[in-house]
Amino acid sequence: GQSLEQPSEVTAVEGAIVQINCTYQTSGFYGLSWYQQHDGGAPTFLSYNALDGLEETGRFSSFLSRSDSYGYLLLQELQMKDSASYFCAVSLRGDSSYKLIFGSGTRLLVRP
Amino acid sequence: NAGVTQTPKFQVLKTGQSMTLQCAQDMNHEYMSWYRQDPGMGLRLIHYSVGAGITDQGEVPNGYNVSRSTTEDFPLRLLSAAPSQTSVYFCASSRDGTVTSNQPQHFGDGTRLSIL
Repeated sequence: GQSLEQPSEVTAVEGAIVQINCTYQTSGFYGLSWYQQHDGGAPTFLSYNALDGLEETGRFSSFLSRSDSYGYLLLQELQMKDSASYFCAVSLRGDSSYKLIFGSGTRLLVRP
Repeated sequence: NAGVTQTPKFQVLKTGQSMTLQCAQDMNHEYMSWYRQDPGMGLRLIHYSVGAGITDQGEVPNGYNVSRSTTEDFPLRLLSAAPSQTSVYFCASSRDGTVTSNQPQHFGDGTRLSIL
């Protein structure tokens, strides 16, 4: 089977930097995505890494190491609105295409 | 743009009833999928489809049926509702079924389903 592991909860101060890690054990791995979900809302896409290295999009960066089966999401200059749940998701080979499998999520609490 | 539209937003069912959750997208996306999310948990893949006439099972397909007769619509059917199926159901779509490029999933607002 496949498994994804990420911390259940992280707390940080406004203006700080926080890193959310994700490790995975899968077969047929294509890439790693990150999604944000506010309470009561729908998940929204943040980033995708297919190759090793760092991808930067504004205050958010995402990193992937395929050899270590590991990735992380880096949030800089934290704002109160960043308080949300963050999910890593792996794209895996499916029968007809690919399928996207999510981790259980990390709840980020940003304090003033 | 409407994006991904799910109906209904809320539903209460009795054990044993059947129901169809509707999902429609107006972005001409080929790839569509259904997830369920239990309280405090991640999303679990139920079924997915890479185009009209093609569907595949995800992680938790038992108790659910899907069909894809058009590109726009991807309904999810609960055959005989059970309390264990109480959850929030999300439908999502992306441009196509190739994985070589960055293709974000666009999610609907969800259907909150309670089964008594």
